[in-house]
Amino acid sequence: GEDVEQSLFLSVREGDSSVINCTYTDSSSTYLYWYKQEPGAGLQLLTYIFSNMDMKQDQRLTVLLNKKDKHLSLRIADTQTGDSAIYFCAVHKTGTASKLTFGTGTRLQVTL
Amino acid sequence: DAGITQSPRHKVTETGTPVTLRCHQTENHRYMYWYRQDPGHGLRLIHYSYGVKDTDKGEVSDGYSVSRSKTEDFLLTLESATSSQTSVYFCAISAVQGSTYEQYFGPGTRLTVT
Repeated sequence: GEDVEQSLFLSVREGDSSVINCTYTDSSSTYLYWYKQEPGAGLQLLTYIFSNMDMKQDQRLTVLLNKKDKHLSLRIADTQTGDSAIYFCAVHKTGTASKLTFGTGTRLQVTL
Repeated sequence: DAGITQSPRHKVTETGTPVTLRCHQTENHRYMYWYRQDPGHGLRLIHYSYGVKDTDKGEVSDGYSVSRSKTEDFLLTLESATSSQTSVYFCAISAVQGSTYEQYFGPGTRLTVT
């Protein structure tokens, strides 16, 4: 089955860029997603990228996809304290009844 | 906001008691999911439903059952709760907009089994 890996923790200073990384194993993954979870809340969809794209930009968020290396990243420009949260990547594979496989999550800590 | 509510939001129960968690959606989405979230494991799929009375197992289904008698409600039952089922439980729906398959989540239920 699909395996999705993320590093557990990232600390950045306010105003710097954050890069959160994710690797996956199944090359037939079609859609890849980034979710944000704030303390005590559910997961909020931030953005997604289709597997035939290399990059997608949405305001301060940039998603990069390297299909050859099965590597996905989320860059947050000008990181703010409100960006402190857990970030999950998730992948969808065709023919899996809309199921997603989630990574373990990366906790982003933004320091002043 | 995909119109998803979960009840209860918090529950403490004793080992061996049955527990039912409810997920309610207001937008007639076909697919619904139950996940559990535990430190170091991310989200793991327990069960999912692809229509009324149509359900299937996820990766951690042992000890859990589900039912979906109406489009809007998806129930998760722990027949005899164990301490290993202490977790935060999330319900999700799949909007299947076009073909992008994104899921939207409820606020979660924190369950403690003592």
